[in-house]
Amino acid sequence: GAVVSQHPSRVICKSGTSVKIECRSLDFQATTMFWYRQFPKQSLMLMATSNEGSKATYEQGVEKDKFLINHASLTLSTLTVTSAHPEDSSFYICSASDPQGGAKTQYFGPGTRLLVL
Amino acid sequence: QKEVEQDPGPLSVPEGAIVSLNCTYSNSAFQYFMWYRQYSRKGPELLMYTYSSGNKEDGRFTAQVDKSSKYISLFIRDSQPSDSATYLCAMSAITGGFKTIFGAGTRLFVKA
Repeated sequence: GAVVSQHPSRVICKSGTSVKIECRSLDFQATTMFWYRQFPKQSLMLMATSNEGSKATYEQGVEKDKFLINHASLTLSTLTVTSAHPEDSSFYICSASDPQGGAKTQYFGPGTRLLVL
Repeated sequence: QKEVEQDPGPLSVPEGAIVSLNCTYSNSAFQYFMWYRQYSRKGPELLMYTYSSGNKEDGRFTAQVDKSSKYISLFIRDSQPSDSATYLCAMSAITGGFKTIFGAGTRLFVKA
């Protein structure tokens, strides 16, 4: 299957700082990437859909000024958590859609665990 | 009512048992049905993908979709301790721009 990487895998930061998470599709070009948030023992909550070369589409209730998304190339999307607070601590997962895969499925990255102190 | 309902479990079975995982959904427009496996602190991994109704088999895994009942299943034969994970059903539709809706995930424990 297709490979999606995320960096960093884990980050601890102080309250008020900004954190950038990278999501890369390693062996295919992803016109669309997705960012999810997952709380312990809960399912994935879609935060936003990132399209290469255009603005991201945010889900209701997700602050676009707080969670900045940039999809600058067909293989890279970044999520920046600005002015992070302890309540932003969570598991952030990206996924990439492979339009050449013959199916409308997503390949997920390994996730980034964010802890805000 | 959630668009996708999935019993979160946990489900505990002995090694070698047949496991049945299920999801129900309310949106009849869903056409693409997926099952993901997620190990603790890892991203989900695509296990099975099915388009529309029918069965699909891959090794010890069988996915079934019954669109008339809005019900999908994943069967695991000869379950192994390494199958212990959370299994998420997911589905999408063209009308939703292929936005994927996930179930809550069922935690499975296979005991040796």
